[in-house]
Amino acid sequence: KAGVTQTPRYLIKTRGQQVTLSCSPISGHRSVSWYQQTPGQGLQFLFEYFSETQRNKGNFPGRFSGRQFSNSRSEMNVSTLELGDSALYLCASNRDTSYEQYFGPGTRLTVT
Amino acid sequence: GEDVEQSLFLSVREGDSSVINCTYTDSSSTYLYWYKQEPGAGLQLLTYIFSNMDMKQDQRLTVLLNKKDKHLSLRIADTQTGDSAIYFCAESIGLDGGYNKLIFGAGTRLAVHP
Repeated sequence: KAGVTQTPRYLIKTRGQQVTLSCSPISGHRSVSWYQQTPGQGLQFLFEYFSETQRNKGNFPGRFSGRQFSNSRSEMNVSTLELGDSALYLCASNRDTSYEQYFGPGTRLTVT
Repeated sequence: GEDVEQSLFLSVREGDSSVINCTYTDSSSTYLYWYKQEPGAGLQLLTYIFSNMDMKQDQRLTVLLNKKDKHLSLRIADTQTGDSAIYFCAESIGLDGGYNKLIFGAGTRLAVHP
């Protein structure tokens, strides 16, 4: 069974630009969550999507947004990039009836 | 409030047992997790425990939960060099529609030496 996949794996952007990251959950998983990992702040919850609806949201500015498609694939978007947005962005998926969250390999975003 | 704390570093000899400790603050946590992260990789789910359990064993891994003290530990028996990684403790926070918001500790770096 394929795991959670994320694309691209690495990305370099310039301050002020915007970026879109993609996540494909494990087949059959309808919940997708996003996390940001930085050396300073550690792992922080961004948001969760279920059945194309944002179900939960962390404490991030409105520049961070996401969406989920009918096939459960999810994208997150960061607009007006700042240097502090440089991080590993991790996506996780789980079945709605399970508490096991499985993570993808992450997208390493570098903002210069 | 939501906070998870872990010691930052642990060094053990190959073949010994490793014990990684974690404390959490949210008494409403329902599930508690242990994840492993190797360099350049995502998080690997190792095990998790429901908050009404005291212990869970899975091959070389043993999880102990003291709900009164809000203390969670992960014991790795017969630690191998391949166990060298960062280990994250996490608690799930109950939110409308599910428990999928995880609060993570800062991670414990486990170094296994011969």
